[in-house]
Amino acid sequence: GAVVSQHPSRVICKSGTSVKIECRSLDFQATTMFWYRQFPKQSLMLMATSNEGSKATYEQGVEKDKFLINHASLTLSTLTVTSAHPEDSSFYICSARDLQGAYEQYFGPGTRLTVT
Amino acid sequence: GIQVEQSPPDLILQEGANSTLRCNFSDSVNNLQWFHQNPWGQLINLFYIPSGTKQNGRLSATTVATERYSLLYISSSQTTDSGVYFCAVATGANSKLTFGKGITLSVRP
Repeated sequence: GAVVSQHPSRVICKSGTSVKIECRSLDFQATTMFWYRQFPKQSLMLMATSNEGSKATYEQGVEKDKFLINHASLTLSTLTVTSAHPEDSSFYICSARDLQGAYEQYFGPGTRLTVT
Repeated sequence: GIQVEQSPPDLILQEGANSTLRCNFSDSVNNLQWFHQNPWGQLINLFYIPSGTKQNGRLSATTVATERYSLLYISSSQTTDSGVYFCAVATGANSKLTFGKGITLSVRP
C-alpha cells in the first residue's frame, strides 16, 4: 500500500516551453501533497505544499507564476513548469500524506527534467 | 526553521560490516523519516519513527525525541545497501519535511 506515482519519469523540453508533471496517490487519498526539487548531489528542498481544493503554499524564493500547482482531487496534484529555462533542469519529486494516516509522507519516483 | 544534521557525511564499509548513521535535529518533531535514495533517485521509505525503536530485517532505528536525535543501524551490510540515506523531520501541523544533507554509504564487496 501507500504508493505514489509520477508521470513522466523523465522529460526533455526546449527553452521557453511548459512542462506538466503529474503526481498521483494510487491507493490512498491525500488532502496534502508536497513538491520537492533536488539538484545533483544535493538534498531535497521543499518547493510548495499542495492542498486539495485550495491554492498551493510556496516556500520562500519559489516563483509561484513559474511553478504552477493544481491539486484538483484527493489523488492528483500537478506541477507545471512554465516558460522553462535550462536552470530549471532538475529532479522533481512529489510526496503525499495519507488523509487517514499519521504524519508519514510517501514519495513518488521523481521526474527528471532537462531543458535544452 | 528546524535544523537537521546528519553524520558522518560519507561512510565506506566492507560487506558484512555494521554501521550507525546519526541524525540530530534542533526542535521537537511530530514526524521523522529515514529514506534510502537508490541510484535512480527513488526515495525508499525505511522508517517512520518520530519516537521509539523499530526494526525491519537488517535495519533498525531509534529516535530519542527528548534528546533530539535518531540513529539508523545497518547490520551485515550488503553492496545493495549503497546509496544516500536521508533523515527528514517535520514539526507542527503543516507536516513540511526538512531534509538533512544525507549520508553517502558505499559498501564494498
